[in-house]
Formats: sequence, C-alpha cells, structure tokens
Amino acid sequence: KNQVEQSPQSLIILEGKNCTLQCNYTVSPFSNLRWYKQDTGRGPVSLTIMTFSENTKSNGRYTATLDADTKQSSLHITASQLSDSASYICVVTFKAAGNKLTFGGGTRVLVKP
Amino acid sequence: SAVISQKPSRDICQRGTSLTIQCQVDSQVTMMFWYRQQPGQSLTLIATANQGSEATYESGFVIDKFPISRPNLTFSTLTVSNMSPEDSSIYLCSVEGRLAAGETQYFGPGTRLLVL
Repeated sequence: KNQVEQSPQSLIILEGKNCTLQCNYTVSPFSNLRWYKQDTGRGPVSLTIMTFSENTKSNGRYTATLDADTKQSSLHITASQLSDSASYICVVTFKAAGNKLTFGGGTRVLVKP
Repeated sequence: SAVISQKPSRDICQRGTSLTIQCQVDSQVTMMFWYRQQPGQSLTLIATANQGSEATYESGFVIDKFPISRPNLTFSTLTVSNMSPEDSSIYLCSVEGRLAAGETQYFGPGTRLLVL
C-alpha cells in the first residue's frame, strides 16, 4: 500500500524563524509530489509541484526539496510570518494507484509573535 | 488557475436528513473530485464525478449514501444522505488543472457540515 508520512505532526515557531517539514513516501513510481497549504476552515492551496526528476522548487519563502533515492521531501519555510500558521500537506501521485492522490497526514504549523 | 466555489459554506443538520452541496468552477474541466476531511484528519477521496456518466466511488463510499451529479463540465453536486453525526466533516470539491510545472489539483473552500 502506498503511504505518505509527514513529520512532525505539529510545530510551533517564533515569527521570523525558519522551519523544515518532512515527508517520506513508500516505494512506488510516482508522477509528482506536491505540497499544499491549508488554512483553518479553507481548502488546500498548492504551493509547489515536483516531478521525480526535480530536486528543488521554490515559491516565495517556501522551498521544497525532493530526494528520489531516499524517497524524502522537505518543505522549508524561511523567515516565517504569522500568516504561515496553517496545515501543510504532502501529496504524492502514484502511478501504480492510477495517478490518484495520496495525502500525508499534514503538519500543523503555528507561528507565534 | 481555476476558481472554485461551494455552497453552502457550512451547515448544521439533523440526524436522518440529507444535504446537497454544490460545486461551481469558473472554467470547463474534465476531472472533478469530491473529498471528505474529518476533524483533525487529512483528505479522503470520496469519488470522481464523471460528466455524463455515473460517478466512480472509492472503497468505503457508496452511491446510495453519497449520490453525485455532474450535469456539465463546470458544475457538480454531492449529496450526503441519511446523515449521522459521523458524517460531520468538511467536504471539498476539487478539479484537475494544468500549470506550467505540470498538473495539479485545485480545491474549493470546502463545506463544513455538523450533524446533530
């Protein structure tokens, strides 16, 4: 069964600091790996999307990395702002699963002033 | 990017009743999906809404409980039937779209449902 696991489950950081979220996935060819941001009470919004051949992708203060050998991805948030408080979800599209999305459990980030 | 709206944004319903959620997209899309997100959990795919044919349901979800309509390429509805408190969730509509970097999915704002 394809799985996507994220760590930590939750994170508290001070405004202005950096943080890194982790995403591990199991063995399977995949089409792409995406990071989404979900504000409380809202739908997820796409931050980055990477194919298996890409190592890094940036979107403003968000930088995603991908290591296909170790099957790990990370999302780095630079100079955090209060508006970064949200859940961050790693989503992998596995070819063996008919290109359906497999969602990680998410990391809930709280940025404190 | 696609702009997706959902109605209602939230509702409180009584056990045994049904609620129909609407999803409207500002452009024609081939693939539309319905997800459920239970409190504190990640998203679970309910079904793929197919235009002109019956929806494709995921394991654990059935048409009698979650009937779906897809009359055209910009609109879909999901009905939550004979509701129980366990159906309290956020229900999200999403569509497949294409960015320069590749395909991605856009999500609606969600419908927050509380069943008493």
